[in-house]
Amino acid sequence: GAGVSQTPSNKVTEKGKYVELRCDPISGHTALYWYRQSLGQGPEFLIYFQGTGAADDSGLPNDRFFAVRPEGSVSTLKIQRTERGDSAVYLCASSPRGLAVNEQFFGPGTRLTVL
Amino acid sequence: AQSVTQLGSHVSVSEGALVLLRCNYSSSVPPYLFWYVQYPNQGLQLLLKYTTGATLVKGINGFEAEFKKSETSFHLTKPSAHMSDAAEYFCAVSDPLISGGYNKLIFGAGTRLAVHP
Repeated sequence: GAGVSQTPSNKVTEKGKYVELRCDPISGHTALYWYRQSLGQGPEFLIYFQGTGAADDSGLPNDRFFAVRPEGSVSTLKIQRTERGDSAVYLCASSPRGLAVNEQFFGPGTRLTVL
Repeated sequence: AQSVTQLGSHVSVSEGALVLLRCNYSSSVPPYLFWYVQYPNQGLQLLLKYTTGATLVKGINGFEAEFKKSETSFHLTKPSAHMSDAAEYFCAVSDPLISGGYNKLIFGAGTRLAVHP
């Protein structure tokens, strides 16, 4: 079956612009996670959705970052007034239920470059 | 707070040699432990995980890892490396008691494995 997909695969933008990154989870997965992977580092947790609601957004670095999942499936990560430090690969993952033992299935990521 | 340390950002082995990738964690309670592999331009793929029970865990592609509580370690091994094993490997922990019962993963910085003929 289809895995987690993310669009676009690459996004280049200018400092100060607004960007949206999209994640399509595996069908039927209720839990959805966003991570950010900077160069040379492991992924860092940003936000977790269970269904439509953000159950934990403690990883969002500041109020320029926002994510939604209005129908409990597709999620969009939104970044306002982008800064060069936002450049990273943004990863999305989904799992069947938001239980600690469940495997997270990762998408290929969106590489964001802020010039 | 939880943390993960992966010793060695780059490891190089010969084809057929033993692979050993080191992972140490810091956690106030026994965590759940994971190893993920990342091939170029692909998403992270789960190799294996430890939750409870047997401390020696076998995963895909011939990899295994052993949870050693006394050493706070979860090292990844494979007896004989293949060229196809060249990738980046990430160790991760999850603590459901802190994270509210869901799988918020804390990752190490990763180890890039090179396999040469």
